[in-house]
Amino acid sequence: DGGITQSPKYLFRKEGQNVTLSCEQNLNHDAMYWYRQDPGQGLRLIYYSQIVNDFQKGDIAEGYSVSREKKESFPLTVTSAQKNPTAFYLCASESGGEYEQFFGPGTRLTVL
Amino acid sequence: EDQVTQSPEALRLQEGESSSLNCSYTVSGLRGLFWYRQDPGKGPEFLFTLYSAGEEKEKERLKATLTKKESFLHITAPKPEDSATYLCAVQVGGTYKYIFGTGTRLKVLA
Repeated sequence: DGGITQSPKYLFRKEGQNVTLSCEQNLNHDAMYWYRQDPGQGLRLIYYSQIVNDFQKGDIAEGYSVSREKKESFPLTVTSAQKNPTAFYLCASESGGEYEQFFGPGTRLTVL
Repeated sequence: EDQVTQSPEALRLQEGESSSLNCSYTVSGLRGLFWYRQDPGKGPEFLFTLYSAGEEKEKERLKATLTKKESFLHITAPKPEDSATYLCAVQVGGTYKYIFGTGTRLKVLA
C-alpha cells in the first residue's frame, strides 16, 4: 500500500532537548512538506522540499530544521530554540505541480 | 495578503438535514482549491480539487463548487459518520505554497 508514515505517534520531550520526527513516503512524490497544527489555527507551513537535497523555509521555520537526503524521507528536528513546540505535526507529500497533498497520520509532540 | 476564511466555525446538523460549508479566499493567482476531511487526532484526508470557476466535483453525499471568490462544500442528507472537521486550502500560483483555512467542525446528530 502506498502512503505516508509518521513516527512516533506521540512524543514527549523535556525542555532543552532536541527531538526528531520521522516522515517516510512510498508514493514516489517529489515534494514533501511539514506543517504544524494548533487548536483554532489553520495548518502552518514549517518547511518544504521540492527535490532531494533542497528545501525552503515556510512561515514558521524558526526553531526547526530538516534534511532531504532521500526522496522517500523528510525528517523534522524540533530544536530547543523552538519556544512553544507542543503541537500536532503533519507531514505531507505531493507529486509536483497542481496536485493534491497527501498527509501522514501526524505526530503529537508534548513538552514536559 | 493571501488568505483563506472558512465559515461557520462549527455546525450541528440533524441526520438528513442538508447544509453548506463556505470557503472564501483571496490569493494572487489560484492554482487549485482543495477540500480535506480531518477526524480528531488524525491527518487530513483528501476529498476534492477544484481548479477553475464553475467547476464542480461530487463524492457520495458531498459536492464541492468553486467561484472566483469562494468555494462551497454541500452536504446532502448527512449521516453521523460525516461528523469531522472540513478543511479548505488553496495553492498559490507560481509557488509550492498552500494556505489552509481554520476549518469547519461538523457534528451530525442521529
